[in-house]
Amino acid sequence: AQKVTQAQTEISVVEKEDVTLDCVYETRDTTYYLFWYKQPPSGELVFLIRRNSFDEQNEISGRYSWNFQKSTSSFNFTITASQVVDSAVYFCALSEVNYGNNRLAFGKGNQVVVIP
Amino acid sequence: DAGVTQSPTHLIKTRGQQVTLRCSPKSGHDTVSWYQQALGQGPQFIFQYYEEEERQRGNFPDRFSGHQFPNYSSELNVNALLLGDSALYLCASSSPGIADTQYFGPGTRLTVL
Repeated sequence: AQKVTQAQTEISVVEKEDVTLDCVYETRDTTYYLFWYKQPPSGELVFLIRRNSFDEQNEISGRYSWNFQKSTSSFNFTITASQVVDSAVYFCALSEVNYGNNRLAFGKGNQVVVIP
Repeated sequence: DAGVTQSPTHLIKTRGQQVTLRCSPKSGHDTVSWYQQALGQGPQFIFQYYEEEERQRGNFPDRFSGHQFPNYSSELNVNALLLGDSALYLCASSSPGIADTQYFGPGTRLTVL
């Protein structure tokens, strides 16, 4: 069974500060994908980033960056120089692809509040 | 390029009634997945449709059923509504590749009284 844990529930930061969201996952599969989605108050889940289990290279995309460490089963996400528009709930999700299963298993989410 | 669309936006039903939610996938996508998101929780997978058949199913009772049409749009039906079915229902579309990213619609907020 797949499981995703996002320990922090609500994180408040002052605008321009960096914020890092932690995600720990459990899976028995060797092939899997990890995702981060953003859910603003409107409710729609917005895809942010995706990483496969064979690529541990960490990247930066604009103000977003992520740190994937297979050894600790963690997939952390950082927003640099936060802005008020970053206020939303952020979800980490896992998709196992072995045996034709690509359903997404989500964590409980991190509520990020950026204070102007 | 139209994204995933869902209708209606909001819905209020009473216990025991039946409801149908609709989803049109993103252009070029032919796989549709449905998720239920209770307040303060992450989305939970209900089922996925591809080629008009249910391909995968999560841990939901048979009261939850679905359908996919030849144009790839999909419906989610819930019978004998319970108070606990109150949630945001999210539809996601993707290409059929097993590793493809799922893109979500704005959701339908269902309230059961």
